[in-house]
Amino acid sequence: DAGITQSPRHKVTETGTPVTLRCHQTENHRYMYWYRQDPGHGLRLIHYSYGVKDTDKGEVSDGYSVSRSKTEDFLLTLESATSSQTSVYFCASTPQMRGGYTFGSGTRLTVV
Amino acid sequence: DAKTTQPPSMDCAEGRAANLPCNHSTISGNEYVYWYRQIHSQGPQYIIHGLKNNETNEMASLIITEDRKSSTLILPHATLRDTAVYYCIVRALPTQGGSEKLVFGKGMKLTVNP
Repeated sequence: DAGITQSPRHKVTETGTPVTLRCHQTENHRYMYWYRQDPGHGLRLIHYSYGVKDTDKGEVSDGYSVSRSKTEDFLLTLESATSSQTSVYFCASTPQMRGGYTFGSGTRLTVV
Repeated sequence: DAKTTQPPSMDCAEGRAANLPCNHSTISGNEYVYWYRQIHSQGPQYIIHGLKNNETNEMASLIITEDRKSSTLILPHATLRDTAVYYCIVRALPTQGGSEKLVFGKGMKLTVNP
């Protein structure tokens, strides 16, 4: 969907290095989310935001932090990447609690 | 949020209607039923949602039983491009000041065959 973009699309990084993934939406959506997807686990929520500077943890938040300083940007940071964080990361947004989510195209992260 | 049960997979012939079932026997009165799908390697795509009335949009129809314990997503004329993993999700709207998030299960793989 053109309204939400993730960068980078692919990244290979070394264990122990910091990594930041960016999610940018142009829809002025209030709510934003970061999920990771792994074989056998489906989509799991990492962190989410319900407004600028308002964030909360999801079910698999250990090792991740987020920041939302502007409505349109939601950053996911791996402070010290580990091989277990190799995954596909999806960002999503929605304007209201009742609405459907719009997902980005994903970031494939490989930690070697 | 209530748990949902979907068969792991099903097949459908191209051009025929695809009826995707979902059981949510523990659904509460304030919980909505949402459907998403994920085509290989892409981000999930919102399809439709409903509370208790049947819903229809340009993509699909959602039929919710009167007791709300199950629902069916109907793709009226399945095409090869409808091959995807379909997720049925049940969730309530958060209370004032509460969080709002979707919890995905493993979904159901629909394969549309030529």
